[in-house]
Amino acid sequence: DAGVTQSPTHLIKTRGQQVTLRCSPKSGHDTVSWYQQALGQGPQFIFQYYEEEERQRGNFPDRFSGHQFPNYSSELNVNALLLGDSALYLCASSLLGQGDYEQYFGPGTRLTVT
Amino acid sequence: AQSVTQLDSQVPVFEEAPVELRCNYSSSVSVYLFWYVQYPNQGLQLLLKYLSGSTLVKGINGFEAEFNKSQTSFHLRKPSVHISDTAEYFCAVSGSGNTGKLIFGQGTTLQVKP
Repeated sequence: DAGVTQSPTHLIKTRGQQVTLRCSPKSGHDTVSWYQQALGQGPQFIFQYYEEEERQRGNFPDRFSGHQFPNYSSELNVNALLLGDSALYLCASSLLGQGDYEQYFGPGTRLTVT
Repeated sequence: AQSVTQLDSQVPVFEEAPVELRCNYSSSVSVYLFWYVQYPNQGLQLLLKYLSGSTLVKGINGFEAEFNKSQTSFHLRKPSVHISDTAEYFCAVSGSGNTGKLIFGQGTTLQVKP
């Protein structure tokens, strides 16, 4: 049973560029959440997708956007990259309505903005 | 608004000694509480969770935590640690009915010394 997978593992971008990160949820899961983890900090919630729609959003600017596909996989897009966007981006999947509120995290994508 | 405070940024301990990692939360609604562990260059793994019922929760790898509503705490304990327990530990809260947005603490680095 495959867990949550993310690609790429590492990424280096220049300020002002755009980036797309990808996530495949755990088999059977229908909900994907994205988190940003800056160095030495706890993860911060960016947004959550369910049924191909953004269901919840954290305190992140509109430069951060996402998408969920019919197969439940998801993308996180960040436009106009800033140095402060350098972080580990974590994807978590869950089964909405399962009742145990457990989220399964992927290994993350390390984004470095220079 | 919900928040989580992990009272110790680093906890050094000798192998086979007991350890307690402290977590306090604030919330105006009933909450679900979680402890996650993050090993270097990896994603988050769930150690244990409190949803309801018994306030003493047992998790994986010999960890346990106690939910104290009056003190709004959810401290993590292990009676005897191993070198392999060296990692970053995160306490997180999710409001009742909220199935996606986890609010994390800043993390506690557990350093187990031989």
